[in-house]
Amino acid sequence: GAVVSQHPSRVICKSGTSVKIECRSLDFQATTMFWYRQFPKKSLMLMATSNEGSKATYEQGVEKDKFLINHASLTLSTLTVTSAHPEDSSFYICSARDRGPLGYTFGSGTRLTVV
Amino acid sequence: AQSVTQLDSQVPVFEEAPVELRCNYSSSVSVYLFWYVQYPNQGLQLLLKYLSGSTLVESINGFEAEFNKSQTSFHLRKPSVHISDTAEYFCAVSETGGSYIPTFGRGTSLIVHP
Repeated sequence: GAVVSQHPSRVICKSGTSVKIECRSLDFQATTMFWYRQFPKKSLMLMATSNEGSKATYEQGVEKDKFLINHASLTLSTLTVTSAHPEDSSFYICSARDRGPLGYTFGSGTRLTVV
Repeated sequence: AQSVTQLDSQVPVFEEAPVELRCNYSSSVSVYLFWYVQYPNQGLQLLLKYLSGSTLVESINGFEAEFNKSQTSFHLRKPSVHISDTAEYFCAVSETGGSYIPTFGRGTSLIVHP
């Protein structure tokens, strides 16, 4: 079945530094990937839609200069949290479409803690 | 735009008891419906989905959900839960003919006690 690998699973960084999270589709090509943020006891909030070879589409209220998304190939999308602050601490999950418009496979998530 | 309401944030239940996790949705068009399960510090895994046809859908691990169009509901049920079913469960809806990007409910934490 389709597998999406997300790395790292956990990261702790100092306030003011940048962190890159990778999302790879291992056995299929994903022209579209999605980045979600999950707060404790809250649902998933769609941050942006990442399109291979073009600029990401950000949801309203998401700072595109803070959350940089790059989708350079059909199997890799990256999310860079720039100048991270403690309020950016969260669980970030990526997702990729496979097997048509309704087939979503999720990565295992990245727990970001900014200290 | 579509929306999803999961009425219960937490459902505690004893092992081998039946459980129902409620989900209601709102949409002006036809929808596809999903249930996802999330174990601690992991991503989401698709549990089951309704696209068309039979309104009762089943998963391989004993869960089932029934699409009720008149009540705009897609409740998840299991006749006998196991400790290993303890997890967060998310209901999601996707509108037909649109971008298909799912909208998620806030999740229900199923806690199975021995």
